[in-house]
Amino acid sequence: QQQVKQSPQSLIVQKGGISIINCAYENTAFDYFPWYQQFPGKGPALLIAIRPDVSEKKEGRFTISFNKSAKQFSLHIMDSQPGDSATYFCAASRRQAGTALIFGKGTTLSVSS
Amino acid sequence: DAGVIQSPRHEVTEMGQEVTLRCKPISGHNSLFWYRQTMMRGLELLIYFNNNVPIDDSGMPEDRFSAKMPNASFSTLKIQPSEPRDSAVYFCASSQDAGKAYGYTFGSGTRLTVV
Repeated sequence: QQQVKQSPQSLIVQKGGISIINCAYENTAFDYFPWYQQFPGKGPALLIAIRPDVSEKKEGRFTISFNKSAKQFSLHIMDSQPGDSATYFCAASRRQAGTALIFGKGTTLSVSS
Repeated sequence: DAGVIQSPRHEVTEMGQEVTLRCKPISGHNSLFWYRQTMMRGLELLIYFNNNVPIDDSGMPEDRFSAKMPNASFSTLKIQPSEPRDSAVYFCASSQDAGKAYGYTFGSGTRLTVV
């Protein structure tokens, strides 16, 4: 119940295309769903996050779609650019104190020019 | 702000040796996390401190691993004795209020190789 399952493991997208990464969770107590972006040699950095009271959140070219009934959420990167090439992690946690983020295994995105 | 500072950046050690990884969190952050990253298992939570107190250490693999946070500005992760399967990138992260509003800030990691 603590797992967050992420797919695909790797993704190749042409410049200008849409990148889509999916995550699924089982624990219905989870109520905070962030996405992190990691470049080689660096630690992950918070990209965008959503709470389950909304179905979508958009920040620039990045959008999170959330489906509470299916216990799934996804990251969409519009107009993908070579600079978006990185590893993306979804995560989940309960909002209450004393809990830490559980991360998916990551998706390596390559945007070809 | 210098961010979360980890040292060393790289560590190569022989099996059986003691390894100590260090972390300086961002000033004012009251939560600190140690994660381990491998290709097979992704990012695994090892231990989580809140206000210098260990809250959840269920991810610590076994007794060979120990972590301390003697004050708000310093934490260590120790492996004794080290084994080849401990080879991974170890990340420290810190946050305000367990990161629920502002997220985690990760350090650049320590790449540990045990030969």
